[in-house]
Amino acid sequence: LAKTTQPISMDSYEGQEVNITCSHNNIATNDYITWYQQFPSQGPRFIIQGYKTKVTNEVASLFIPADRKSSTLSLPRVSLSDTAVYYCLVGDRDTDKLIFGTGTRLQVFP
Amino acid sequence: NAGVMQNPRHLVRRRGQEARLRCSPMKGHSHVYWYRQLPEEGLKFMVYLQKENIIDESGMPKERFSAEFPKEGPSILRIQQVVRGDSAAYFCASSPYTGGSQPQHFGDGTRLSIL
Repeated sequence: LAKTTQPISMDSYEGQEVNITCSHNNIATNDYITWYQQFPSQGPRFIIQGYKTKVTNEVASLFIPADRKSSTLSLPRVSLSDTAVYYCLVGDRDTDKLIFGTGTRLQVFP
Repeated sequence: NAGVMQNPRHLVRRRGQEARLRCSPMKGHSHVYWYRQLPEEGLKFMVYLQKENIIDESGMPKERFSAEFPKEGPSILRIQQVVRGDSAAYFCASSPYTGGSQPQHFGDGTRLSIL
């Protein structure tokens, strides 16, 4: 199974922009890339999803290069409440299975 | 996460007992996924079901674990003869159908503790 990797952790300060990248070099051709946020003792919460180029919603942007082997979740002007673990979820080209990334623990400081 | 309901939220069992975890998907969703998450780790896929059918159980241990999604009622993840290593958070997700642009929506999980 190809690995879907993310940085283990990131630190930021309130008001800054945070970019979290997920590497998925064996992504299935037709699958979307989905990002989730998880707080302690809660289930993952859907943030954003995209197939290619750029997607933006009210909470985040998602940048996907043409080769789709990576994706970057962008959180504008983070606040303390954005402290959480962030996961990408993609389909594997060889197994056709959805695989969660290794997760990035974001800590936002005041 | 109010759409996908899991119960119980916490379950304590002694070694050798059975654990039953329930998941009611969001209204209109006929696809259910179960994941396991160990402390400080990511989510690992266990099984994918549609109504009355197991589509993919490749992530579920062959022994002691079983899952079902009957025509009526919630999906059930059953763990027989639990061992300490089964202690984890078990999450259920649902979607209206698989693939494409339909993201999975998760419940808040069942935390299973084995004494």
